[in-house]
Amino acid sequence: NAGVTQTPKFQVLKTGQSMTLQCAQDMNHNSMYWYRQDPGMGLRLIYYSASEGTTDKGEVPNGYNVSRLNKREFSLRLESAAPSQTSVYFCASSPTLFTDTQYFGPGTRLTVL
Amino acid sequence: AQKITQTQPGMFVQEKEAVTLDCTYDTSDQSYGLFWYKQPSSGEMIFLIYQGSYDEQNATEGRYSLNFQKARKSANLVISASQLGDSAMYFCAMLGTNAGKSTFGDGTTLTVKP
Repeated sequence: NAGVTQTPKFQVLKTGQSMTLQCAQDMNHNSMYWYRQDPGMGLRLIYYSASEGTTDKGEVPNGYNVSRLNKREFSLRLESAAPSQTSVYFCASSPTLFTDTQYFGPGTRLTVL
Repeated sequence: AQKITQTQPGMFVQEKEAVTLDCTYDTSDQSYGLFWYKQPSSGEMIFLIYQGSYDEQNATEGRYSLNFQKARKSANLVISASQLGDSAMYFCAMLGTNAGKSTFGDGTTLTVKP
């Protein structure tokens, strides 16, 4: 039982490049989330998906897009990376939206030069 | 607006002693959940304990307990019998039922001394 997996673990981009962060969960959870964590700070919600087929903006959605491919997978895309997007990105899932414990993946450390 | 405040950037505790990490919150929601997560230096986020806003009893999970005082809007984490492996960053978080409401505090770094 892998829980929540994320790929890649590390990535370095140049300004203006694009990339997609992948997330998958095998706990049959309905809801999934993407957060970013900047140095010395807590997590901020980028986007979330209440269930398959739905996505909504969180606190800091600008510069990102998401896709809920199926119940298991929720991807985060940076269309034109900027240095301000240098951060650690966490994917999480929970049985229902916001009212259950969220289980986190190991994180992706992204650096934009 | 929803807000979590952790006023202790860093805390020290002697091994085997108890420690309390403070968390206060602000929300207009009537139904919400309060969580504590541990983030060791390796970076992963580990769920510790959950308290629902309508739960009348304080939550406990092994050595962790949550001192929930709804009128004061506080949800302090108590770790009993501290261990060296408890050294980590601890985050208080609130998840509300209104869409988009997921708020984390800035964290408290706990160092357990031998």
